[in-house]
Amino acid sequence: GQQVMQIPQYQHVQEGEDFTTYCNSSTTLSNIQWYKQRPGGHPVFLIQLVKSGEVKKQKRLTFQFGEAKKNSSLHITATQTTDVGTYFCAGRRVRSGAGSYQLTFGKGTKLSVIP
Amino acid sequence: ETGVTQTPRHLVMGMTNKKSLKCEQHLGHNAMYWYKQSAKKPLELMFVYNFKEQTENNSVPSRFSPECPNSSHLFLHLHTLQPEDSALYLCASSPGGTEYGYTFGSGTRLTVV
Repeated sequence: GQQVMQIPQYQHVQEGEDFTTYCNSSTTLSNIQWYKQRPGGHPVFLIQLVKSGEVKKQKRLTFQFGEAKKNSSLHITATQTTDVGTYFCAGRRVRSGAGSYQLTFGKGTKLSVIP
Repeated sequence: ETGVTQTPRHLVMGMTNKKSLKCEQHLGHNAMYWYKQSAKKPLELMFVYNFKEQTENNSVPSRFSPECPNSSHLFLHLHTLQPEDSALYLCASSPGGTEYGYTFGSGTRLTVV
């Protein structure tokens, strides 16, 4: 079945440093979504990428979808303590034959920000 | 509030108990989902309902039994659980289709003793 790998598993950064998490799929994706889960909270939808090579920005967050639509990244510029949490990618595979087309989540990258 | 409400927030149950988790969404969404979140594991999809019809059962043991009486309500009935079933159970909803993100509830933290 489809697998979505996310690295790193953990990242500790000094406040003000940049942060990047990477997501790789074993299959070509039709789209990819990113979620943030604060400690003790629930996943919150951040964004969806659909097009090959797509780049979207939300303030200090930059999301990229690879040209082959098998990988994606989330980059945070100048981290703040409010960025603390676990960032998940979730990919949906291209419709082709049998099998689930539901989102497959990565394990997430847990970000800690040292003030 | 996210628009997806889950109750109870915490639940401790013995292995012989029967309990139910409830999820209600006020967003007018057509699809609802049950996910299991365990430590060091990715979010695991359990069940999917579209327009209150079950469209996916992700090889979930029969001790978990979903029920979706209408598009706004989703239940997860629990019976004879094992300690390894202890986890955060998350309900989510979406408008349906593949172009939308999911709205998650706050989850039920389940402990099986």
